[in-house]
Amino acid sequence: SQTIHQWPATLVQPVGSPLSLECTVEGTSNPNLYWYRQAAGRGLQLLFYSVGIGQISSEVPQNLSASRPQDRQFILSSKKLLLSDSGFYLCAWSVIGVNTEAFFGQGTRLTVV
Amino acid sequence: GENVEQHPSTLSVQEGDSAVIKCTYSDSASNYFPWYKQELGKRPQLIIDIRSNVGEKKDQRIAVTLNKTAKHFSLHITETQPEDSAVYFCAARISGGSYIPTFGRGTSLIVHP
Repeated sequence: SQTIHQWPATLVQPVGSPLSLECTVEGTSNPNLYWYRQAAGRGLQLLFYSVGIGQISSEVPQNLSASRPQDRQFILSSKKLLLSDSGFYLCAWSVIGVNTEAFFGQGTRLTVV
Repeated sequence: GENVEQHPSTLSVQEGDSAVIKCTYSDSASNYFPWYKQELGKRPQLIIDIRSNVGEKKDQRIAVTLNKTAKHFSLHITETQPEDSAVYFCAARISGGSYIPTFGRGTSLIVHP
Protein backbone atom coordinates (compact mmCIF):
# COMPACT_ATOMS: atom_id res chain seq x y z
CA SER A 1 0.00 0.00 0.00
CA GLN A 2 1.00 3.58 -0.50
CA THR A 3 2.15 5.82 2.33
CA ILE A 4 3.28 9.41 2.55
CA HIS A 5 5.73 10.72 5.11
CA GLN A 6 6.18 14.37 5.94
CA TRP A 7 8.52 15.87 8.52
CA PRO A 8 9.01 17.55 10.82
CA ALA A 9 5.56 17.70 12.40
CA THR A 10 6.27 20.95 14.21
CA LEU A 11 8.86 23.64 13.58
CA VAL A 12 9.61 26.98 15.20
CA GLN A 13 12.04 29.12 13.24
CA PRO A 14 13.28 32.71 13.61
CA VAL A 15 12.66 35.28 10.91
CA GLY A 16 15.41 35.20 8.30
CA SER A 17 16.37 31.58 8.91
CA PRO A 18 16.25 28.93 6.17
CA LEU A 19 13.59 26.26 5.82
CA SER A 20 13.56 22.71 4.54
CA LEU A 21 10.50 20.48 4.73
CA GLU A 22 10.66 17.02 3.27
CA CYS A 23 8.03 14.68 1.94
CA THR A 24 8.44 11.15 0.63
CA VAL A 25 5.96 8.73 -0.87
CA GLU A 26 6.23 4.95 -0.77
CA GLY A 27 4.45 2.27 -2.72
CA THR A 28 3.86 4.13 -5.97
CA SER A 29 5.85 5.35 -8.93
CA ASN A 30 5.87 8.70 -10.70
CA PRO A 31 3.17 10.33 -8.57
CA ASN A 32 1.92 13.88 -8.86
CA LEU A 33 3.25 15.73 -5.80
CA TYR A 34 1.88 18.88 -4.20
CA TRP A 35 2.71 21.37 -1.47
CA TYR A 36 -0.21 23.22 0.12
CA ARG A 37 -0.27 25.87 2.81
CA GLN A 38 -3.15 26.32 5.19
CA ALA A 39 -3.25 29.58 7.15
CA ALA A 40 -5.40 30.02 10.27
CA GLY A 41 -6.72 26.45 9.96
CA ARG A 42 -8.67 27.11 6.80
CA GLY A 43 -8.25 27.18 3.02
CA LEU A 44 -5.84 24.95 1.12
CA GLN A 45 -3.57 27.16 -0.96
CA LEU A 46 -1.63 25.27 -3.62
CA LEU A 47 2.01 26.40 -3.56
CA PHE A 48 3.78 23.98 -5.90
CA TYR A 49 3.06 20.85 -7.86
CA SER A 50 5.27 18.43 -9.70
CA VAL A 51 4.46 15.88 -12.38
CA GLY A 52 7.97 14.41 -12.54
CA ILE A 53 11.58 14.63 -11.37
CA GLY A 54 12.89 18.15 -11.72
CA GLN A 55 9.50 19.43 -12.96
CA ILE A 56 8.13 22.08 -10.61
CA SER A 57 5.22 24.43 -11.22
CA SER A 58 4.64 27.37 -8.91
CA GLU A 59 1.14 28.62 -8.26
CA VAL A 60 1.91 31.59 -6.02
CA PRO A 61 4.93 33.92 -6.18
CA GLN A 62 6.67 33.98 -2.81
CA ASN A 63 10.00 33.41 -1.10
CA LEU A 64 9.48 29.66 -1.08
CA SER A 65 10.83 27.14 -3.57
CA ALA A 66 10.34 23.45 -4.20
CA SER A 67 12.50 20.70 -5.60
CA ARG A 68 11.98 17.09 -6.61
CA PRO A 69 15.40 15.45 -6.60
CA GLN A 70 13.96 11.94 -6.74
CA ASP A 71 10.76 10.43 -8.08
CA ARG A 72 9.10 10.14 -4.67
CA GLN A 73 10.74 13.00 -2.80
CA PHE A 74 9.44 16.55 -2.66
CA ILE A 75 11.17 19.32 -0.71
CA LEU A 76 9.88 22.75 0.24
CA SER A 77 12.56 25.34 0.99
CA SER A 78 13.17 28.93 1.82
CA LYS A 79 16.41 30.87 2.12
CA LYS A 80 14.96 33.46 4.50
CA LEU A 81 11.68 32.94 6.33
CA LEU A 82 9.16 35.74 6.85
CA LEU A 83 6.60 36.04 9.63
CA SER A 84 3.91 35.56 6.99
CA ASP A 85 5.30 32.11 6.18
CA SER A 86 3.77 30.73 9.38
CA GLY A 87 1.10 28.15 8.74
CA PHE A 88 0.27 24.50 8.34
CA TYR A 89 2.08 22.96 5.37
CA LEU A 90 0.72 19.86 3.74
CA CYS A 91 2.36 17.60 1.21
CA ALA A 92 0.09 15.48 -0.96
CA TRP A 93 0.29 13.00 -3.81
CA SER A 94 -2.02 11.58 -6.40
CA VAL A 95 -1.76 9.00 -9.15
CA ILE A 96 -0.49 10.64 -12.30
CA GLY A 97 -2.73 10.55 -15.33
CA VAL A 98 -5.79 9.37 -13.43
CA ASN A 99 -8.56 11.48 -11.97
CA THR A 100 -8.61 10.26 -8.39
CA GLU A 101 -8.25 11.58 -4.87
CA ALA A 102 -5.20 13.27 -3.39
CA PHE A 103 -3.59 11.76 -0.28
CA PHE A 104 -2.18 14.12 2.31
CA GLY A 105 0.79 13.87 4.61
CA GLN A 106 0.48 14.58 8.33
CA GLY A 107 1.39 18.22 7.88
CA THR A 108 4.03 20.53 9.38
CA ARG A 109 3.03 23.28 11.76
CA LEU A 110 5.52 26.09 11.04
CA THR A 111 5.74 29.07 13.37
CA VAL A 112 8.07 31.87 12.37
CA VAL A 113 9.03 34.03 15.34
CA GLY B 1 -8.23 27.70 -14.50
CA GLU B 2 -10.81 26.13 -12.24
CA ASN B 3 -12.44 28.15 -9.45
CA VAL B 4 -14.35 26.45 -6.63
CA GLU B 5 -16.64 28.40 -4.33
CA GLN B 6 -17.82 26.80 -1.07
CA HIS B 7 -20.61 27.88 1.29
CA PRO B 8 -21.17 28.39 4.12
CA SER B 9 -17.82 29.09 5.74
CA THR B 10 -19.23 28.10 9.14
CA LEU B 11 -22.18 25.83 9.92
CA SER B 12 -23.50 25.22 13.39
CA VAL B 13 -26.13 22.52 13.99
CA GLN B 14 -27.64 20.56 16.85
CA GLU B 15 -26.84 16.88 17.18
CA GLY B 16 -29.26 14.86 15.09
CA ASP B 17 -29.93 17.64 12.59
CA SER B 18 -28.85 17.52 8.97
CA ALA B 19 -26.02 19.60 7.51
CA VAL B 20 -25.63 20.68 3.89
CA ILE B 21 -22.51 22.21 2.36
CA LYS B 22 -22.62 23.57 -1.18
CA CYS B 23 -19.93 24.11 -3.80
CA THR B 24 -19.89 25.57 -7.27
CA TYR B 25 -17.21 25.22 -9.90
CA SER B 26 -16.40 27.17 -13.02
CA ASP B 27 -14.80 24.78 -15.51
CA SER B 28 -17.23 22.48 -17.25
CA ALA B 29 -14.31 20.11 -18.00
CA SER B 30 -14.14 19.12 -14.32
CA ASN B 31 -15.39 15.60 -13.86
CA TYR B 32 -14.21 14.40 -10.45
CA PHE B 33 -15.47 15.92 -7.18
CA PRO B 34 -14.03 14.67 -3.88
CA TRP B 35 -14.94 15.81 -0.38
CA TYR B 36 -12.39 15.88 2.42
CA LYS B 37 -12.79 16.07 6.18
CA GLN B 38 -10.09 17.68 8.28
CA GLU B 39 -10.21 17.30 12.04
CA LEU B 40 -8.39 19.84 14.15
CA GLY B 41 -4.62 19.64 13.66
CA LYS B 42 -4.85 16.66 11.32
CA ARG B 43 -4.56 16.04 7.61
CA PRO B 44 -7.53 16.24 5.23
CA GLN B 45 -8.92 12.81 4.39
CA LEU B 46 -11.32 11.74 1.69
CA ILE B 47 -14.82 10.92 2.93
CA ILE B 48 -16.75 10.61 -0.33
CA ASP B 49 -16.36 11.44 -4.00
CA ILE B 50 -18.51 11.60 -7.10
CA ARG B 51 -17.80 11.52 -10.81
CA SER B 52 -19.59 13.43 -13.51
CA ASN B 53 -21.45 10.41 -14.83
CA VAL B 54 -23.30 10.04 -11.50
CA GLY B 55 -25.90 12.40 -10.01
CA GLU B 56 -25.89 11.16 -6.43
CA LYS B 57 -23.85 8.90 -4.19
CA LYS B 58 -24.52 7.77 -0.63
CA ASP B 59 -22.40 6.22 2.09
CA GLN B 60 -24.31 5.68 5.33
CA ARG B 61 -25.03 9.14 6.78
CA ILE B 62 -23.27 11.12 4.07
CA ALA B 63 -24.33 11.76 0.51
CA VAL B 64 -23.14 13.92 -2.33
CA THR B 65 -25.20 15.29 -5.21
CA LEU B 66 -23.93 16.73 -8.47
CA ASN B 67 -25.68 18.98 -10.96
CA LYS B 68 -23.39 19.29 -13.98
CA THR B 69 -25.69 21.65 -15.82
CA ALA B 70 -25.64 24.14 -12.98
CA LYS B 71 -22.04 23.27 -12.06
CA HIS B 72 -22.69 22.71 -8.41
CA PHE B 73 -22.36 19.83 -5.99
CA SER B 74 -23.35 19.40 -2.36
CA LEU B 75 -22.46 17.34 0.69
CA HIS B 76 -25.32 16.16 2.90
CA ILE B 77 -24.77 14.77 6.39
CA THR B 78 -27.80 13.36 8.16
CA GLU B 79 -28.23 12.62 11.87
CA THR B 80 -25.14 14.65 12.71
CA GLN B 81 -23.00 13.64 15.66
CA PRO B 82 -20.40 15.64 17.65
CA GLU B 83 -17.62 13.66 15.97
CA ASP B 84 -18.75 15.10 12.63
CA SER B 85 -17.37 18.45 13.82
CA ALA B 86 -14.49 19.31 11.48
CA VAL B 87 -13.57 21.42 8.48
CA TYR B 88 -14.92 20.03 5.21
CA PHE B 89 -13.39 20.80 1.81
CA CYS B 90 -14.87 20.25 -1.58
CA ALA B 91 -12.65 19.94 -4.63
CA ALA B 92 -12.90 19.68 -8.39
CA ARG B 93 -10.49 18.07 -10.80
CA ILE B 94 -10.25 18.39 -14.55
CA SER B 95 -9.75 15.33 -16.69
CA GLY B 96 -6.59 15.58 -18.71
CA GLY B 97 -3.55 17.75 -18.18
CA SER B 98 -1.97 17.61 -14.75
CA TYR B 99 -5.14 16.67 -12.82
CA ILE B 100 -4.50 19.37 -10.24
CA PRO B 101 -7.31 19.43 -7.66
CA THR B 102 -8.79 22.82 -6.87
CA PHE B 103 -10.19 23.12 -3.35
CA GLY B 104 -12.94 25.23 -1.89
CA ARG B 105 -12.12 27.43 1.09
CA GLY B 106 -13.60 24.99 3.57
CA THR B 107 -16.61 24.84 5.87
CA SER B 108 -16.20 24.61 9.62
CA LEU B 109 -19.00 22.33 10.83
CA ILE B 110 -19.82 22.48 14.53
CA VAL B 111 -22.23 19.90 15.92
CA HIS B 112 -23.55 20.80 19.36
CA PRO B 113 -24.46 17.88 21.65
